[in-house]
Amino acid sequence: GAGVSQSPRYKVAKRGQDVALRCDPISGHVSLFWYQQALGQGPEFLTYFQNEAQLDKSGLPSDRFFAERPEGSVSTLKIQRTQQEDSAVYLCASSRRDTSNQPQHFGDGTRLSIL
Amino acid sequence: SQQGEEDPQALSIQEGENATMNCSYKTSINNLQWYRQNSGRGLVHLILIRSNEREKHSGRLRVTLDTSKKSSSLLITASRAADTASYFCATVPNAGNNRKLIWGLGTSLAVNP
Repeated sequence: GAGVSQSPRYKVAKRGQDVALRCDPISGHVSLFWYQQALGQGPEFLTYFQNEAQLDKSGLPSDRFFAERPEGSVSTLKIQRTQQEDSAVYLCASSRRDTSNQPQHFGDGTRLSIL
Repeated sequence: SQQGEEDPQALSIQEGENATMNCSYKTSINNLQWYRQNSGRGLVHLILIRSNEREKHSGRLRVTLDTSKKSSSLLITASRAADTASYFCATVPNAGNNRKLIWGLGTSLAVNP
């Protein structure tokens, strides 16, 4: 079946604008994760959902970052009043069951550039 | 913040040679996973090794885990040009109901034809 799909693939915004990034996980996957990856670095955890419940948002860098998954499938990561340091690739991943021994399936990411 | 470190940071080998990458981490873990990332793409899961396992194989991949040294290695045998990518280790900390992956900085592997 289809993998994890993220849109848009590229987003350019001016500093101060709000952006919304979308993630379509693999159908039926319970867990959904958002990561931020700076150039040349490993990903950094942002937040995690079990179905529609946001169980861990400890990695969100500020209150400008907000994520939701209202029906337990599609998720949106919103960044308000963007800053230049928000420029990064935002990766979404899903896993089939909500246990710790599950591989995560990643989308190709959204590359966000803040001018 | 990053959990671990991979070494080397970059590795260049010829096709047919073996490639070994190492990963160290800081805290007690539930499991350790290795992922591959091609340029401009998402990460692809390669192999998961649980904290009570010492070695695991999958095709041309061999992973070892030494929890006493908090380290893991990934061996790719008989490398191919298509193996060129960045390789990351990631751990699930052994605390509470942790699900998030904590990542290292990655090893950039170039396999020359």
